[in-house]
Order: sequence, then structure tokens, then C-alpha cells
Amino acid sequence: GAGVSQTPSNKVTEKGKYVELRCDPISGHTALYWYRQSLGQGPEFLIYFQGTGAADDSGLPNDRFFAVRPEGSVSTLKIQRTERGDSAVYLCASSLRGGRHEQFFGPGTRLTVL
Amino acid sequence: AQSVTQLGSHVSVSEGALVLLRCNYSSSVPPYLFWYVQYPNQGLQLLLKYTSAATLVKGINGFEAEFKKSETSFHLTKPSAHMSDAAEYFCAVSSYNNNDMRFGAGTRLTVKP
Repeated sequence: GAGVSQTPSNKVTEKGKYVELRCDPISGHTALYWYRQSLGQGPEFLIYFQGTGAADDSGLPNDRFFAVRPEGSVSTLKIQRTERGDSAVYLCASSLRGGRHEQFFGPGTRLTVL
Repeated sequence: AQSVTQLGSHVSVSEGALVLLRCNYSSSVPPYLFWYVQYPNQGLQLLLKYTSAATLVKGINGFEAEFKKSETSFHLTKPSAHMSDAAEYFCAVSSYNNNDMRFGAGTRLTVKP
């Protein structure tokens, strides 16, 4: 079946602009995760959804970052007033139920803030 | 808080040689431990995982890892490296009651012919 997909694959924006990054998880997976991966580093946890609710958003760096998953499937990561430091690859992963279950990762969205 | 440390940001081996990628973890609760591989321009792929069953875990592509609680380690090994093993490898930790998986900084494996 289809894996996790993310759109767009690349996004270039200007400092101060608003961006939305989309994640389509594997069908039937209730858990969804967002990570940020900067150059030369491992993925950094941002937020975890179980169903429609954000079960853990402790990794969001500040209030410019927000994510939603209104119907328990597709999720959107929203970044307001982008800064050059937000440039990174944003990864989405989904899991059958979370916890010990394997997380399946999407290919990521490369965000560049000029 | 949980964390992992990967020793060596870059490891180079010859084709056919032993691969050893090191990972040490820190966790106040029984950990779940994972190794992921990332090939160029591809997403992260699970190699293997430890979730409190057998301490020696076998994964895909001939890789295995051993959970050693006394050493807080979960090193990844493969007896004989292949050119196709060249990639970035990430160790990660989570737990039953904690869904924010923590990744190490990664180790880039180079395989020389």
C-alpha cells in the first residue's frame, strides 16, 4: 500500500511569510508525528497526534509553529512569520498506534527561508 | 528525559569488513530502542527495534544489534559490509509511556571498495 506522503517536497519562502506543510499518513494509522531535521543532525521531535488531538506538542519550538489533524488523518504543520533558522527538512511519520509500534517516515519537505 | 548518543559522526570501512556503529542511551524508564537508515534523498527506514523481548535483535539487510542494559548500549553491527550499506544511520529511543522519540545525531557510513 501507499506509504506516508508529504507535500510539497520543496518549499522556498521569504522571511516573515506563512507556510503550510502537509502530511498524508498511512491509512489506518492513528498516530502521527512531526520532526524537524537540520543539516548534519538527527530528526528533532516536534509534535505527536493520537487521532485528532495533539497528545504531545512539547517539541514545538515556539508559538509560531502549529499543527492540526482535524479528521484524524491528514495533518498540516503551519509556520507563521518564518525565520531563516526555520530552514530544515520537516519529516512526518505515522504509526499504527504509537508507542512500540514502528514509525513509517515520509520523504520530508525541505523548507528554505530566504 | 531520554536521549541517545552516537559515537562517531563518520565511520569508514572496507567492503567485506565488520561494521560497528555505536549508540548509548539514557532513560529513566525501560527503553524502546531503534536503528533507522537514511539513504540519500530517501526517507528514514527502520532497520530493527528492541522493545523488551530478546536482547539480540536481528534486522533487515544482515544488521543486528544487542541491548546491553549494564552498558546502556545498543550498538549496530553487520559482519560484512556491502557497498550498498553506505548511508546515514540513526539510533533512537522512546518508551511505552513516551511518544516523543529521541534521535541521535547520526553516523554516516562509508564503504570503500
